[in-house]
Amino acid sequence: QQPVQSPQAVILREGEDAVINCSSSKALYSVHWYRQKHGEAPVFLMILLKGGEQKGHEKISASFNEKKQQSSLYLTASQLSYSGTYFCGTEVGGTSYGKLTFGQGTILTVHP
Amino acid sequence: SQTIHQWPATLVQPVGSPLSLECTVEGTSNPNLYWYRQAAGRGLQLLFYSIGIDQISSEVPQNLSASRPQDRQFILSSKKLLLSDSGFYLCAWSTISGANVLTFGAGSRLTVL
Repeated sequence: QQPVQSPQAVILREGEDAVINCSSSKALYSVHWYRQKHGEAPVFLMILLKGGEQKGHEKISASFNEKKQQSSLYLTASQLSYSGTYFCGTEVGGTSYGKLTFGQGTILTVHP
Repeated sequence: SQTIHQWPATLVQPVGSPLSLECTVEGTSNPNLYWYRQAAGRGLQLLFYSIGIDQISSEVPQNLSASRPQDRQFILSSKKLLLSDSGFYLCAWSTISGANVLTFGAGSRLTVL
């Protein structure tokens, strides 16, 4: 079952913050976050494994609440380069051979 | 380092014609391989995945098939294309162990007319 992402779209000015949420109805083994620029392939941002961990990469960080089966992606002090569509991909079970079910995506637009 | 190649990049085909999209991975052995499709403005739908040569699993019933004739080669095919087959097709690979992070190819944009 496809995870649900919210919001569907976000418009920001440079320097503003954003949060993108990803919710699943199933118990999750891991949550992956990817960013896709228009016309390009998705690029991996980070992965969170069950255990409620948090991770960060420069000004982009994420959390995974295993009990609530939710993950959130935090973008702070946004830059123009952050524009794109963000997808969460969820993995159910540790032996799913990396099969990810992706959310419908969140379109992030950063203006000068 | 590992690289993934996918071709052709763009394809315009008439309804009823055959299809063959190819994907190869370099710099790794025995990868997991995947075909995803992305309809315009939509998310990524897993079509097929493979954990080894001739080991293909289909995720959704449809007009497409996949084959893995060699360890690092993954082919997506159709005998007769439908209008609904149009989309952006992405091949991806991951290691067989570890975090299963997907690395995508550049994609093949298929338009069926």
